[in-house]
Amino acid sequence: DTAVSQTPKYLVTQMGNDKSIKCEQNLGHDTMYWYKQDSKKFLKIMFSYNNKELIINETVPNRFSPKSPDKAHLNLHINSLELGDSAVYFCASSQAHTGPYEQYFGPGTRLTVT
Amino acid sequence: AQSVTQLGSHVSVSEGALVLLRCNYSSSVPPYLFWYVQYPNQGLQLLLKYTSAATLVKGINGFEAEFKKSETSFHLTKPSAHMSDAAEYFCAVSDSGGGKLIFGQGTELSVKP
Repeated sequence: DTAVSQTPKYLVTQMGNDKSIKCEQNLGHDTMYWYKQDSKKFLKIMFSYNNKELIINETVPNRFSPKSPDKAHLNLHINSLELGDSAVYFCASSQAHTGPYEQYFGPGTRLTVT
Repeated sequence: AQSVTQLGSHVSVSEGALVLLRCNYSSSVPPYLFWYVQYPNQGLQLLLKYTSAATLVKGINGFEAEFKKSETSFHLTKPSAHMSDAAEYFCAVSDSGGGKLIFGQGTELSVKP
């Protein structure tokens, strides 16, 4: 009964391909996030959804398109993958997007673009 | 704009010694502050959080942190390090707008036997 789950855990693909990462939370939270962790372990927000509505789009290239079919799921689709997209992508959720609520993180998806 | 600075990208202590990981923040509004731990090849786990209640916050695994507004600091401490504490530690501030977390650069803690 994992709180925040992501699939796949590892993703190896070639430049130019399109891939998706899926995220699900069973905590009943309203808000979900995507973060990118680069090779130096720096974490940066990419997107945030609250009740299926996009509330944060942090100047991410439009090759990245999040989709939230319902408030328990937030998927990330990446078109035309580039070498620089190689990173670990973390999904997270919180009770709400305002207030003193911690975020719960998934195990991460390690994307390697060759 | 809010920001977080963690002093020291790598800290090494002996088992049983005091752990001190430094975090300074910048925020124009009263902040919500968090410490997360990341073990190798895993996600982030919340250690503790400050939400404007008590300034000394106790977390899991014997960690605690003290919020000092005058110093804009939120340093993480543990009286006695254990080998299992070896991990990457992240300090973060919650953005007052959309709730995103703004992370520091991380501090890798090594524990020597």
